[in-house]
Amino acid sequence: KNEVEQSPQNLTAQEGEFITINCSYSVGISALHWLQQHPGGGIVSLFMLSSGKKKHGRLIATINIQEKHSSLHITASHPRDSAVYICAVGRPYGGATNKLIFGTGTLLAVQP
Amino acid sequence: DTGVSQDPRHKITKRGQNVTFRCDPISEHNRLYWYRQTLGQGPEFLTYFQNEAQLEKSRLLSDRFSAERPKGSFSTLEIQRTEQGDSAMYLCASSLMTNQPQHFGDGTRLSIL
Repeated sequence: KNEVEQSPQNLTAQEGEFITINCSYSVGISALHWLQQHPGGGIVSLFMLSSGKKKHGRLIATINIQEKHSSLHITASHPRDSAVYICAVGRPYGGATNKLIFGTGTLLAVQP
Repeated sequence: DTGVSQDPRHKITKRGQNVTFRCDPISEHNRLYWYRQTLGQGPEFLTYFQNEAQLEKSRLLSDRFSAERPKGSFSTLEIQRTEQGDSAMYLCASSLMTNQPQHFGDGTRLSIL
């Protein structure tokens, strides 16, 4: 079993829909990251959170430390949101976060 | 902030050849990470530098792989005697502090013929 699990693996939505991507993890973490990857490779950090909720524009990320679960929400989805969304957790090493452990990603396609 | 840059973007080589990739992190970032991503998978950690010190290496990093960061600025990742299974996207990331977001380069895509 992977240490970081995402669902769904693939998601197709109509423009304007509310989208939720889920992430569960099984290890101790110092922070959880949501990242966006477009075709061709580039990865952009969307959120880094260790508790509660963060919002940036139409994106909202929440985390429940007790349940080891996080969600990424996209409100009023748009075709330009189409990308792979990856959940990753920071693993403590010697008291500080070093490497990230990644989920396999959720491929989102938003159709006009 | 010019971002993390990686060179080359693409590398095609024959099995058995050696290849070297370069990563230039954001200038003030002293943490540097290498990851590998195969098709349809999330990235996997390879190695981590704090300044010039290589502090952690994954078991994925076989003896054919070596990484350096000689002056605590740019880093190189070398693969010797490449194999088909080395075909992947090699990603570099940097951060200012360990508890801050990592900034990723666009990656080097390696294809082994």
